Amino acid sequence: NAGVTQTPKFRVLKTGQSMTLLCAQDMNHEYMYWYRQDPGMGLRLIHYSVGEGTTAKGEVPDGYNVSRLKKQNFLLGLESAAPSQTSVYFCASSRGGLSSYEQYFGPGTRLTVT
Amino acid sequence: AQKVTQAQTEISVVEKEDVTLDCVYETRDTTYYLFWYKQPPSGELVFLIRRNSFDEQNEISGRYSWNFQKSTSSFNFTITASQVVDSAVYFCALTTAYNTDKLIFGTGTRLQVFP
Repeated sequence: NAGVTQTPKFRVLKTGQSMTLLCAQDMNHEYMYWYRQDPGMGLRLIHYSVGEGTTAKGEVPDGYNVSRLKKQNFLLGLESAAPSQTSVYFCASSRGGLSSYEQYFGPGTRLTVT
Repeated sequence: AQKVTQAQTEISVVEKEDVTLDCVYETRDTTYYLFWYKQPPSGELVFLIRRNSFDEQNEISGRYSWNFQKSTSSFNFTITASQVVDSAVYFCALTTAYNTDKLIFGTGTRLQVFP
């Protein structure tokens, strides 16, 4: 049981390049989330999904897009990377709403944009 | 507005000391849920506890205990007889019944336990 996995673990991009981060979970969870973690700012929600085919904006969605074509996968895309997007990105999943279920987190992806 | 404040940026203790991590929250909702997560040096966040606003009983789990006080809007976390393996960043977080899809995190407290 792998839980939540993220690909890749590290990436360096040049300004203007694009990339996709992949999150996969094998727990049959309905909800999936993408966060970014920056020093001194905790985790901030970028986008989330409450089920296959759905997505919604979080606290800091600008510059990112997401897709949830399959229940087990949640993709985070950066169309034109900027240095401000240098961060550690975490994916999480939960069985349902947070009033009843906790989130399980992936190991993170460290992204540097130069 | 909802907000979580962890005023302690970093705490250093020597092994076997007790340590308390503070968490103060703000919400106008009467039904809400509070969480603590641990982020060890490996990076992955680990769930520790969830508490709803109607349950003010303190909770103890081994060396960990949590003190929830609605009167002061606080949900503090105490580690008794700390160990080196407790070294991590600890996050407090909040969600409300009206928006349980989203978790609002505090900025975290880095705990260093020295042998």
